[in-house]
This record gives sequence, structure tokens and C-alpha cells, in this order.
Amino acid sequence: GNSVTQMEGPVTLSEEAFLTINCTYTATGYPSLFWYVQYPGEGLQLLLKATKADDKGSNKGFEATYRKETTSFHLEKGSVQVSDSAVYFCALSTPIQGAQKLVFGQGTRLTINP
Amino acid sequence: DVKVTQSSRYLVKRTGEKVFLECVQDMDHENMFWYRQDPGLGLRLIYFSYDVKMKEKGDIPEGYSVSREKKERFSLILESASTNQTSMYLCASSFPGQGSSYNSPLHFGNGTRLTVT
Repeated sequence: GNSVTQMEGPVTLSEEAFLTINCTYTATGYPSLFWYVQYPGEGLQLLLKATKADDKGSNKGFEATYRKETTSFHLEKGSVQVSDSAVYFCALSTPIQGAQKLVFGQGTRLTINP
Repeated sequence: DVKVTQSSRYLVKRTGEKVFLECVQDMDHENMFWYRQDPGLGLRLIYFSYDVKMKEKGDIPEGYSVSREKKERFSLILESASTNQTSMYLCASSFPGQGSSYNSPLHFGNGTRLTVT
């Protein structure tokens, strides 16, 4: 079945450090890929997405490239801020019954220290 | 802005009680979803609905049922609450995918943290 595997957290970095959160997936067909972010006490928000191979999604300084050959969608940011502290979820989307099903990874908790 | 509102932020219920979790969205979305979120497991799909009165099982439907009588409202029902249903419950909504491109983002509520004692 379809699945998503993220690097285990928690991840702790200093402000202005480079961030990578690894995400790999297993899926049949050609899923869309997403990164969602959950700030403390809130629901999930879409951070970025990519819908086909070699697409790059980007938002708020974060980037991820859809790599079909390595089945990966790693999240990167060049210089993190304290406000980036949150839980990050990688997800893939596949169609079911006229809707779409999102399959999520287990989440990676990121803490940025000043 | 899309708003998905879950009626309760925190709930404490006793084992065996019938529990209703309510979710309302204001963007006329066709699709609505209930997930539960547990540490180390990410989000798991319980049920979803792609139209009024339509419902489909997700990956972990056992012990749950749902109701969608109106387009904007999707209710999750725990028929007889058990301690292993203590969790964070997240409701989400979306438009359907366009053609073969299933990339409509999900919009989430802030969650209901349910404790069953």
C-alpha cells in the first residue's frame, strides 16, 4: 500500500542553520506530494506541494523537489528562524471514490533555538 | 479564508459513553475527512465523505461512525468510547480534485483533544 516515511525527530537546530527533513514514499501511480506544518495548538496548514516529477514546491523559504527516481520529497530551508519551530508532516495524495486520500508520515518535530 | 471549525477543543468522557465530535466548514467543500493524530503514528484516516449523506471508511474505522446530513457539517461518533480512543481528532475539508490531478489541499480545523477515562 501507499506509505510515507519521514526522518525521526525531534530535530533541534540553532537559528540561521540549514534544515533538511527527509521524506521518502511508496506509492502506485503518480501521487501528488505535500508538506504540511502544525504550529503549537493549531491544526495542519499546507506548506508546499508538487504534483509531478521534478516539480519544486516552495513557500516561506522552504523548498522540496519531487524526485521520482529516488521516491523522495525532502524539505529544505537555508536559514531557519525560531518561528519555524513546529511539527512537519510529509504526505502523498491518491484518488479514492471521487475524493483524494492523504497518507501522512509520522511527523518531525522541529525546535529552533535562538 | 477557509474556516474549518471543530466544536470542542478539549473533551473528557467516560468509557462506554457515546461521543459526538462536530465539524463545520464554510467554503462549500464537497469533501470532508476525520483523522486521528497520535505521537509517532502521524495522522490516520478514520472516515471521509465526498458528498452529503455519502461516507466511506478510511484506514481505521473500527469503533467509529460518521454522519453528513448537510454539506457543511461532518460529525464523528464514538458509539461506546474506549480508552484506546484517547487521541487528537482533526477534521479537514477540500474541493474535489480536478480531472486526474488530485492535488486540492486539505484545510484542517484546530483539533479536538479527547480523553476517555
